[in-house]
Amino acid sequence: EVQLVESGGDLVQPGGSLRLSCAASGFTFSNYAMHWVRQAPGKGLEYVSAISSNGGSKNYANSVKGRFTISRDNSKNTVFLQMGSLRAEDMAVYYCAREYCTVNNCYPMAFGYWGQGTLVTVSS
Amino acid sequence: SSELTQDPAVSVALGQTVRITCQGDSLRSYSASWYQQKPGQAPVLVIYAENNRPSGIPDRFSGSSSGNTASLTITGARAEDEADYYCNSRDSSTNHVVFGGGTKLTVL
Repeated sequence: EVQLVESGGDLVQPGGSLRLSCAASGFTFSNYAMHWVRQAPGKGLEYVSAISSNGGSKNYANSVKGRFTISRDNSKNTVFLQMGSLRAEDMAVYYCAREYCTVNNCYPMAFGYWGQGTLVTVSS
Repeated sequence: SSELTQDPAVSVALGQTVRITCQGDSLRSYSASWYQQKPGQAPVLVIYAENNRPSGIPDRFSGSSSGNTASLTITGARAEDEADYYCNSRDSSTNHVVFGGGTKLTVL
């Protein structure tokens, strides 16, 4: 069974930093790209960042580019999101997610597996 | 355009059929997926690649697409279908994932 478990969410002051982790199990982690998606309180889903299976390709939403860094450790089945220069508008539940795959194909834009989320609160 | 537009709220009578739409230029090139999210829970994929249901999703959920509009149809809505629904696809200009703003479905 695919499991994604996020951790690291906390209360942080504006301008501060935080590192989120997402521990994966139940699948061959090194075969899959991983994604971070966030949801501000009472708001919709917002794509944050993605990293390829070997970590060689990364992309970021414009809203976090230059402040957040995604990385992964395939030996530990974990993906990270290093967040810096945090702003009030970064306050959200952060989910990690993986694409959905059938026996025959994978669908990169379809997130079939999600963690339970970790809450980042930015406040002084 | 990188935006996907959804109606903020839709209602349906119990047992009736409802269509939730998602509009955006990128949908002319890329297929949409749909997610159901209930309060306090992570999203659940209900439709992928325009019109495919993951295992475990009831067949009252279906998807379709025409031009720049993708649709999620629930045939015979149940009380447990009351939730927020989001579409997503690929942004044709940045190649990034993009989500719609979400539709709150109320089952009356």
